[in-house]
Amino acid sequence: DIQMTQSPSSLSASVGDRVTITCQASQDISNYLNWYQQKPGKAPKLLIYDAFNLETGVPSRFSGSGSGTDFTFTISSLQSEDIATYYCQHYDTFPWTFGQGTKVEIK
Amino acid sequence: QVQLQESGPGLVKTSQTLSLTCSVSGGSISSGMFFWSWIRQPAGKGLEWIGRIYTSGSTNYNPSLKSRVTISLDTSKNQFSLSLTSVTAAESAVYYCARERLSSGYKSSFDHWGQGTLVTVSS
Repeated sequence: DIQMTQSPSSLSASVGDRVTITCQASQDISNYLNWYQQKPGKAPKLLIYDAFNLETGVPSRFSGSGSGTDFTFTISSLQSEDIATYYCQHYDTFPWTFGQGTKVEIK
Repeated sequence: QVQLQESGPGLVKTSQTLSLTCSVSGGSISSGMFFWSWIRQPAGKGLEWIGRIYTSGSTNYNPSLKSRVTISLDTSKNQFSLSLTSVTAAESAVYYCARERLSSGYKSSFDHWGQGTLVTVSS
């Protein structure tokens, strides 16, 4: 299985801050990577697909980049409603796997 | 707007079979543009992909569960189902059904999710 390692596991930032989360794959996955946001008690929500494409309706402060084994997810200006856990997920070879998640909190 | 809704027993006995159904509304499960998937999340933990089914009935399963899992399709009811045999307490989790959107050939993403259903496995 391809292992997805996110960093950090949690972070605390102020409203308006730029937030960056990294996701490293254990092998080359091209750009076969998605990012999801999960709020407490809710299902995950697709934010970014194919590493850098913004899902329809998702605010432009969210972005993704990277290819191969190293990927980055950025919130350009953190808002209070962005408090959630964020997951990366690959779809290169079966089984699809997710990162362990990054919990984002407000400082 | 596509909506997915899981249903099934919230409590399953150890070593028994977990059975869940996902009802899809607002779109046809027979569309060739999508796979239909199951994903689970133990309390306080991360997400684990269980498997998926295509409109043709073709399936892909997580190898860690392959010997115990079956995903099936009922196009007449616009539903798909999960069966997981010989469950243990460690498999207590929120189980989600999700639509896996296909684009540009191989590319895919889970673009719609059910709200999730908590299944507790206990003796």
